[in-house]
Amino acid sequence: NAGVTQTPKFQVLKTGQSMTLQCAQDMNHNSMYWYRQDPGMGLRLIYYSASEGTTDKGEVPNGYNVSRLNKREFSLRLESAAPSQTSVYFCASSGTARAGSNQPQHFGDGTRLSIL
Amino acid sequence: GEDVEQSLFLSVREGDSSVINCTYTDSSSTYLYWYKQEPGAGLQLLTYIFSNMDMKQDQRLTVLLNKKDKHLSLRIADTQTGDSAIYFCAESMDSSYKLIFGSGTRLLVRP
Repeated sequence: NAGVTQTPKFQVLKTGQSMTLQCAQDMNHNSMYWYRQDPGMGLRLIYYSASEGTTDKGEVPNGYNVSRLNKREFSLRLESAAPSQTSVYFCASSGTARAGSNQPQHFGDGTRLSIL
Repeated sequence: GEDVEQSLFLSVREGDSSVINCTYTDSSSTYLYWYKQEPGAGLQLLTYIFSNMDMKQDQRLTVLLNKKDKHLSLRIADTQTGDSAIYFCAESMDSSYKLIFGSGTRLLVRP
């Protein structure tokens, strides 16, 4: 059972380089999310996509862009990487997101990104 | 505002019960979730509780919800070394489908 698949698993970049993190889910979920996880800070939402064709900013969107390529895929792009973006990035998906509904999110294994 | 708080660390002996606590501030929470994160892995959904429930039991896991005090707990019975991980609580609210996560509690199970 693949669930949510993220690539790559590890990446090292130099300051100023660009990179796209890939995410795909095979659960036919409508909603997808990108988080970053930093020590002692839990998960912070970067961007989310409630449904195919829509994207919205989360808590910490600066320095990132996203693309909901189709229902399965949601990519996160760093146009000009900065050391402050060193983090572990998680993609998640859930069923159709409606306020007040039970929509647990299912997570990938993460991408560990270091920016020198 | 939205805030979810957890204690940072818990250490228990193998075979004992573990209780991980979480407090939240938004009274409009609808569902509350517990996730487990093992080293190098993503978050795995353990269990959830609807806000109109007080308790939910699922094998070794018991979730207690005190809505008046906005307090959520996860009890793990007969804790095993394989339970060592970081545990996150998260809430969803009437006003949004986004989840708000706590910063996680690291559980260490000593043999």
